[in-house]
Amino acid sequence: DAGITQSPRHKVTETGTPVTLRCHQTENHRYMYWYRQDPGHGLRLIHYSYGVKDTDKGEVSDGYSVSRSKTEDFLLTLESATSSQTSVYFCAISESSGTGDNEQFFGPGTRLTVL
Amino acid sequence: GQNIDQPTEMTATEGAIVQINCTYQTSGFNGLFWYQQHAGEAPTFLSYNVLDGLEEKGRFSSFLSRSKGYSYLLLKELQMKDSASYLCAVMGLTGGGNKLTFGTGTQLKVEL
Repeated sequence: DAGITQSPRHKVTETGTPVTLRCHQTENHRYMYWYRQDPGHGLRLIHYSYGVKDTDKGEVSDGYSVSRSKTEDFLLTLESATSSQTSVYFCAISESSGTGDNEQFFGPGTRLTVL
Repeated sequence: GQNIDQPTEMTATEGAIVQINCTYQTSGFNGLFWYQQHAGEAPTFLSYNVLDGLEEKGRFSSFLSRSKGYSYLLLKELQMKDSASYLCAVMGLTGGGNKLTFGTGTQLKVEL
């Protein structure tokens, strides 16, 4: 299994509070991604990173920010959590973006509940 | 943009063969992935197709037709542990990183 951990694994918070989720990898992969998974929507890309300090928006980036100060860590921040951000959040990594070694490996997920 | 369709649910019998279809419409195409996801767990990679044809990996095979925007995942000799959600995902052509767009998944139930 790819070495990907997420923390925390579960979190309950209140509307309006800031929340930061952490993804840590030991594979030295260049690309890292944050997804959310909701019933009826499948996995949706929030933000991704293609290198240290290089990030870009995904499909559902509103209300989220990210940072990547070193290869192994990718942080997802909800500046002011809302109930619509209650979801399961998955981090993923990949070695390349071409047609080889480009499969994404997923972390165990973080279940976030915003009350 | 991308649009991916796959059946919501399927049921099959242990030992049988099941085919899960996926159709897609995309503005750019750089490959199609299949993932398996058991309830409460992370998705795990099953297969990748970028050229037309069939890719076989043990009990699992995946087929792609780019001209038809169509793929299927074939599972043979079904086992109870194959009960899971199967996710079809298309990789688009972008400037940075391989951005995947996922379908909503097909929940497969394997019965005795």
